[in-house]
Amino acid sequence: QKEVEQDPGPLSVPEGAIVSLNCTYSNSAFQYFMWYRQYSRKGPELLMYTYSSGNKEDGRFTAQVDKSSKYISLFIRDSQPSDSATYLCAMTGSARQLTFGSGTQLTVLP
Amino acid sequence: DTAVSQTPKYLVTQMGNDKSIKCEQNLGHDTMYWYKQDSKKFLKIMFSYNNKELIINETVPNRFSPKSPDKAHLNLHINSLELGDSAVYFCASSQVLSTTNEKLFFGSGTQLSVL
Repeated sequence: QKEVEQDPGPLSVPEGAIVSLNCTYSNSAFQYFMWYRQYSRKGPELLMYTYSSGNKEDGRFTAQVDKSSKYISLFIRDSQPSDSATYLCAMTGSARQLTFGSGTQLTVLP
Repeated sequence: DTAVSQTPKYLVTQMGNDKSIKCEQNLGHDTMYWYKQDSKKFLKIMFSYNNKELIINETVPNRFSPKSPDKAHLNLHINSLELGDSAVYFCASSQVLSTTNEKLFFGSGTQLSVL
């Protein structure tokens, strides 16, 4: 069993929809939770990160962490075709080295 | 002005050949990585260097040999290429956010196809 599990999708939604992307993890030592976005034929880039449990909002994006359930989510409001990408969750614990999920491929249809 | 640049972008080669991928970062970071991304988009760390010193060496065949001539460069040489080496290889540099967190800046990747 991998330390971080992520539904690979693909996920296809109409423009304007609310998107929910999720990861579960098994290592209770994880403290920082990140979301990277990867466009086709590009490297991943950091979208946002949170520390411990709680919510963090950045524009149309909200990251949510529930440490008691070992479950994290990324919500995208008013999704746009430009949001079409693969979203990877990543986490760190006692060391800085990131552990990645396998990514969810999202397509937002115009 | 690309922050992390890696070359070549595409590499198509025959089994048994030796090839190299070069990476350079102009962000002034001390730590650089090589990651391998398989066809299912899973990113797996291969190596990490801090200021030219190897600090992480995951379970990678010894056909893979990283080299860091200075902290801005991290190259990857692969000997005797095998079909299973086909993947996208990403170089990344790291901005330290805290003792237990970092932000990675990735290159655009090198798509390696072994025939």
